Amino acid sequence: QVTLKESGPVLVKPTETLTLTCTVSGFSLSNARMGVSWIRQPPGKALEWLAHIFSNDEKSYSTSLKSRLTISKDTSKSQVVLTMTNMDPVDTATYYCARILDTAMVDYWGQGTLVTVSS
Amino acid sequence: SYVLTQPPSVSVAPGKTARITCGGNNIGSKSVHWYQQKPGQAPVLVIYYDSDRPSGIPERFSGSNSGNTATLTISRVEAGDEADYYCQVWDSSRGVFGGGTKLTVL
Repeated sequence: QVTLKESGPVLVKPTETLTLTCTVSGFSLSNARMGVSWIRQPPGKALEWLAHIFSNDEKSYSTSLKSRLTISKDTSKSQVVLTMTNMDPVDTATYYCARILDTAMVDYWGQGTLVTVSS
Repeated sequence: SYVLTQPPSVSVAPGKTARITCGGNNIGSKSVHWYQQKPGQAPVLVIYYDSDRPSGIPERFSGSNSGNTATLTISRVEAGDEADYYCQVWDSSRGVFGGGTKLTVL
């Protein structure tokens, strides 16, 4: 059974750095067919792809947010970590981690975690 | 960057057919995936590689892709199909989502 679970703070202050952890089970981060992505969704708005990482450590970032994002993985812990610097209230959103299959679709999603940016 | 354009809303009566479009430059050359998202829930994959259905997705859901438009078709629409629908492609080593379409069942 494939599961992904996000963890991290629910509230961060403007200018702070957000660190989110995705813990996966039911598959290995070393599987060549699979990767993990972070996707966010501001309240009432559309999905936005933030970053992803594959088994060979290939990474890619949203063009507009690239300077603020870092993604990494610890295969032994089955965890993928996303950091986003200089948080702003417009970054308030539900953050999802999700499994990418065959560099194509997302076939499994975490439940999401709502992060609010406010002083 | 690659842009996917979806109509903000589509309305359909129960039992009728809903068609949700996803426009993009030469999108027919890409693989398109569709997700259904109900309020308060994570998205669910309903169509992948243009027209394939994951197990557990009703046959009423189908997809096509050609030229500059991909289409998600939902036949015999039910009240439970009311949701937001997003298309997605892979472009320049990144995932790209459309702006989403709210399907309302009248």
